[in-house]
Amino acid sequence: NAGVTQTPKFRVLKTGQSMTLLCAQDMNHEYMYWYRQDPGMGLRLIHYSVGEGTTAKGEVPDGYNVSRLKKQNFLLGLESAAPSQTSVYFCASSYFLDQPQAGQTIQYFGAGTRLSVL
Amino acid sequence: QQPVQSPQAVILREGEDAVINCSSSKALYSVHWYRQKHGEAPVFLMILLKGGEQKGHDKISASFNEKKQQSSLYLTASQLSYSGTYFCGTESWVWTSGTYKYIFGTGTRLKVLA
Repeated sequence: NAGVTQTPKFRVLKTGQSMTLLCAQDMNHEYMYWYRQDPGMGLRLIHYSVGEGTTAKGEVPDGYNVSRLKKQNFLLGLESAAPSQTSVYFCASSYFLDQPQAGQTIQYFGAGTRLSVL
Repeated sequence: QQPVQSPQAVILREGEDAVINCSSSKALYSVHWYRQKHGEAPVFLMILLKGGEQKGHDKISASFNEKKQQSSLYLTASQLSYSGTYFCGTESWVWTSGTYKYIFGTGTRLKVLA
């Protein structure tokens, strides 16, 4: 089982360049998320999606855009990369244990994308 | 507000026990525990939903206090494979407004030595 797959695994950008990170899941999960993790820190939610065609802002959305055109894919875009966006990016997907309510999801993470912006 | 974990870091010898705490200033819907090995993705360990709940998996167990503001992760007879960073996570979801938050704790780095 592939689970959650992120591409690329590594990328180096120059300031001002743009790029798209792709996340694909094969578990038919409704929810998908993008996080960033900086050294010595926990994960912070950038954007999330509760279903195909819907996206919403998380804790640190500035400088990023997302799209969920297909249920299995969740794309994270950086239109004009900045050094402050140097980080490890994780994608995750989840399902509800029972009825959709808070505290009922389990998240499955991809392997991460290491991005450096020079 | 980000849940606070303690200790920030701990070093153990194989076979020793450890406790990691996760505290919030307000009641939580639930607590999730994850372990992240260096350079890898976080992996889900367990979820606690009810105040007073205790749950175990192999030699790793966790509790959620009655007020649902604190959770503890217990690592018994630690093994080398337990090394990594442990995160608690909590989520809130307001169905009517579609507002969702998932907040990870500050993390605890655990290293088990042979």
